[in-house]
Amino acid sequence: GAVVSQHPSWVICKSGTSVKIECRSLDFQATTMFWYRQFPKQSLMLMATSNEGSKATYEQGVEKDKFLINHASLTLSTLTVTSAHPEDSSFYICSATGLPSGNTIYFGEGSWLTVV
Amino acid sequence: TQLLEQSPQFLSIQEGENLTVYCNSSSVFSSLQWYRQEPGEGPVLLVTVVTGGEVKKLKRLTFQFGDARKDSSLHITAAQPGDTGLYLCGRNQGGKLIFGQGTELSVKP
Repeated sequence: GAVVSQHPSWVICKSGTSVKIECRSLDFQATTMFWYRQFPKQSLMLMATSNEGSKATYEQGVEKDKFLINHASLTLSTLTVTSAHPEDSSFYICSATGLPSGNTIYFGEGSWLTVV
Repeated sequence: TQLLEQSPQFLSIQEGENLTVYCNSSSVFSSLQWYRQEPGEGPVLLVTVVTGGEVKKLKRLTFQFGDARKDSSLHITAAQPGDTGLYLCGRNQGGKLIFGQGTELSVKP
């Protein structure tokens, strides 16, 4: 079946640096990808919706200049956390829908980010 | 964004006990989904309920959609340690999922 892969699975970065997380659809065209953030023991919070070839739509309260999302191809979306701070430490997870999966949502494995 | 109120947020029970998780909203939904997530992994879809009053069963899990399509419940019979995890209700808006707060379930042997 369709698979969505995230990389890296975990990353540690220094405060003030930027880190990029990739979300790839392996065997389908992901016309839309979604990025979520999840703190320990909490639910998934939608950060943004990413459509291939257009600007991402951010949820209220999410800083678009801090969380840069690029969806330049039908198989890849990237989330870049810029000028990371310890409070950005979280589990980031993407999901994707597209062709031929239709309304089916496929989640990536998630990426643990720790900012020290 | 329409809020989904999920309760309880934490639940710790002994193996063999029954439990119910609730998902409520003031809005009417065309459908509602339930997911289960284990630490460090993506959520896994358990069921989608669409029709008001609908009841769906998945082994020991029973899902119900309220008649008015504003609320849903998940009932687990004879819980097992393998049921431990985070249970999420969510509304699917064209692939965009708005989740409730989640219920962290711990089933002790």
